Amino acid sequence: GDSVTQMEGPVTLSEEAFLTINCTYTATGYPSLFWYVQYPGEGLQLLLKATKADDKGSNKGFEATYRKETTSFHLEKGSVQVSDSAVYFCALRRRDDKIIFGKGTRLHILP
Amino acid sequence: GAGVSQSPSNKVTEKGKDVELRCDPISGHTALYWYRQSLGQGLEFLIYFQGNSAPDKSGLPSDRFSAERTGGSVSTLTIQRTQQEDSAVYLCASSPNGGSNYGYTFGSGTRLTVV
Repeated sequence: GDSVTQMEGPVTLSEEAFLTINCTYTATGYPSLFWYVQYPGEGLQLLLKATKADDKGSNKGFEATYRKETTSFHLEKGSVQVSDSAVYFCALRRRDDKIIFGKGTRLHILP
Repeated sequence: GAGVSQSPSNKVTEKGKDVELRCDPISGHTALYWYRQSLGQGLEFLIYFQGNSAPDKSGLPSDRFSAERTGGSVSTLTIQRTQQEDSAVYLCASSPNGGSNYGYTFGSGTRLTVV
């Protein structure tokens, strides 16, 4: 069945470091792909999305590119801030509208 | 409304009691989803509504769990005879109809604690 696999955390980085959180997926067809973020004590928020191959989603300095050939949607940011500390979820949305989430990656940014 | 509203925000209940969790989606959103997030775990899909019908109930953990949606709007998730393993944050999300290009908008969740 369809699934999303993302790197296990926690990931701990210093402020201004480069961030990559890996995400790969297994799906029938060409799903839309998403990254959601959950800040401490808050609900999930859509961070960015890509709906077809080679699309790049971007928001708040984060980017992810839909790579069909490697079935990946890795999240990157060039210079992280303490305020980026959160749990990040990779997800895919199937044609039947069901969204499948990865297990989440907790990110800690040290000042 | 402006966002997805869930109530109550917190619920503490005794083992064996029934609980009802409510979700009020964004006005006009036809798709509604319930997920469960346990401590340290990812998001577990429970059930999905398109309008008032539930084409996918595959995630409901047991027959103690049920959900309904009326008027294409408010949804209620009911857990009967609660058990301690039901303790989790229950998240509701809604989405416009129209295919797979949309993400969800999540509510803030209901934190359920079964004691």
